[in-house]
Amino acid sequence: GAVVSQHPSRVICKSGTSVKIECRSLDFQATTMFWYRQFPKQSLMLMATSNEGSKATYEQGVEKDKFLINHASLTLSTLTVTSAHPEDSSFYICSASLQDGGYTFGSGTRLTVV
Amino acid sequence: DQQVKQNSPSLSVQEGRISILNCDYTNSMFDYFLWYKKYPAEGPTFLISISSIKDKNEDGRFTVFLNKSAKHLSLHIVPSQPGDSAVYFCAASPNSNSGYALNFGKGTSLLVTP
Repeated sequence: GAVVSQHPSRVICKSGTSVKIECRSLDFQATTMFWYRQFPKQSLMLMATSNEGSKATYEQGVEKDKFLINHASLTLSTLTVTSAHPEDSSFYICSASLQDGGYTFGSGTRLTVV
Repeated sequence: DQQVKQNSPSLSVQEGRISILNCDYTNSMFDYFLWYKKYPAEGPTFLISISSIKDKNEDGRFTVFLNKSAKHLSLHIVPSQPGDSAVYFCAASPNSNSGYALNFGKGTSLLVTP
């Protein structure tokens, strides 16, 4: 089946630094990628939607200058958390839409900012 | 604003019995509903979906029921197995076209005891 490989699975960074999370579609072309964030015991909250070759559409309350999304190719989408702070610590997960109407998810990235 | 609600954070069921996980939604534009299973530090795994033109969809041990007038759906797992222990997320979308992002509930943690 369609697989999205997400890296890193876990990252610890110092406050003020930037972290890049990658999602690669291994055996299909991901035209649309969704980025979610999950805080403990909460739902997966949509951060942004990106279409290949276009600027991402961000949800209300999500700072586009802080969470940089790049979807320059059909097989790679990246989320960069810039100038990370402890409140950015969360579980970040990408999801690609499939041509048959379904979705496939990455395995997630646990970000801890210290 | 939580448009998909799973009001039971946890559920414990004995092996072999039926597990019933409930989900309510508020947005009448939602037309397509999905259930996902998730383990810690992993991405969600798709279980079963239902379109609003149906009131029931069955796949092996999993059955989803949709009551559109009540804006309520439920996932039945029978018989429950210890391997079913995980967090189950209900998700909704305005369309079965996967170009739309999913709205997730907060999840219900299911524990199936031997």
